[in-house]
Amino acid sequence: GENVEQHPSTLSVQEGDSAVIKCTYSDSASNYFPWYKQELGKRPQLIIDIRSNVGEKKDQRIAVTLNKTAKHFSLHITETQPEDSAVYFCAAFDPNAGNMLTFGGGTRLMVKP
Amino acid sequence: EAQVTQNPRYLITVTGKKLTVTCSQNMNHEYMSWYRQDPGLGLRQIYYSMNVEVTDKGDVPEGYKVSRKEKRNFPLILESPSPNQTSLYFCASSLASGANVLTFGAGSRLTVL
Repeated sequence: GENVEQHPSTLSVQEGDSAVIKCTYSDSASNYFPWYKQELGKRPQLIIDIRSNVGEKKDQRIAVTLNKTAKHFSLHITETQPEDSAVYFCAAFDPNAGNMLTFGGGTRLMVKP
Repeated sequence: EAQVTQNPRYLITVTGKKLTVTCSQNMNHEYMSWYRQDPGLGLRQIYYSMNVEVTDKGDVPEGYKVSRKEKRNFPLILESPSPNQTSLYFCASSLASGANVLTFGAGSRLTVL
């Protein structure tokens, strides 16, 4: 099945700086890559997703890039704010491995004011 | 309000005492899934269901059972809980598959003594 690795596990940045979280996946057939944000004590919520026919997608301060050749995708957050502090999960969907979404281990992002 | 509701939110039980965590969604979603969240391991899929009476194993199904008798409900059953099932459990649903946006429930924190 699919295997997703996420780095770093923790990331601390100063308010206003950029943050980048990287994920790699194992199966080249994977075609959907969402990112979820989980604030402390809350449920995960989708913040952005990308499908394999697109290389980059932006939504205000967040963007996701996908490199299918290298089998990795990244989340970029610019002009970070304290409310960006949370755990972020990447995931990959492999249509050849049942109907499962495989998550990475998560990144705890801390934005220091 | 569109939502996924799971109960109980918190439960402390003892080894071997059967328990059920209920999950219900009001969005007419086809796809429902259970995940467990453990530190450093991200969200791991336990079981999922594509539709009524259709269920499949995820990555960590051992010790769990599910059923999908109605479209809106997808209970998670622990027939004989063990301490290694102490975890935070999330139910989620999506329109059609794992390649669509997941709406998560608020989570159920289970402790097995």
